[in-house]
Amino acid sequence: GAVVSQHPSWVICKSGTSVKIECRSLDFQATTMFWYRQFPKQSLMLMATSNEGSKATYEQGVEKDKFLINHASLTLSTLTVTSAHPEDSSFYICSARGVMKGRSGEQYFGPGTRLTVT
Amino acid sequence: GIQVEQSPPDLILQEGANSTLRCNFSDSVNNLQWFHQNPWGQLINLFYIPSGTKQNGRLSATTVATERYSLLYISSSQTTDSGVYFCAVDSSASKIIFGSGTRLSIRP
Repeated sequence: GAVVSQHPSWVICKSGTSVKIECRSLDFQATTMFWYRQFPKQSLMLMATSNEGSKATYEQGVEKDKFLINHASLTLSTLTVTSAHPEDSSFYICSARGVMKGRSGEQYFGPGTRLTVT
Repeated sequence: GIQVEQSPPDLILQEGANSTLRCNFSDSVNNLQWFHQNPWGQLINLFYIPSGTKQNGRLSATTVATERYSLLYISSSQTTDSGVYFCAVDSSASKIIFGSGTRLSIRP
């Protein structure tokens, strides 16, 4: 149980285009979803936290107009990188946290999306 | 904000060896998790352990919340244990903060 999928697993796009990444909790309801980015050989950096039906909370330094997050249902959150530039190239990972007896704080991670902007 | 430090940053061991990875955090936490990131980037949940001790096969973890640290033990290492191990804490502000990770390499 507690499976999170992410799509696409990798994407190459041209500078100036927008890219949408989907994150789904497959077998549980995710009250909260998180978006991270990870550069090579570095740790995960939290970008934003989203709760179903409300606006995402962005971390300091993350441009909310550039990284649009939508959490329209308890099983789906999307991250749209708008007007992507080469410096946005990174590994983007989502995670989901649901309401589970005794483990309500546990996060489950998607497999990640590798974005390359040319 | 809360600081999370992991040690050692890198660890190279021979197959069959045991290892201890440490995670120190600077403030009280609601939750703590250990993850293994495999070479493809997937984060695999190892332990959800805000306090106490848990064991799962060759792996075990202990969190001493009052002293603000957690330990991950790996016994009889295998080459498939290679990768990066992260601890992540959930502070009172409900932000998930990751440590910098320990890169483990197991040589055959």
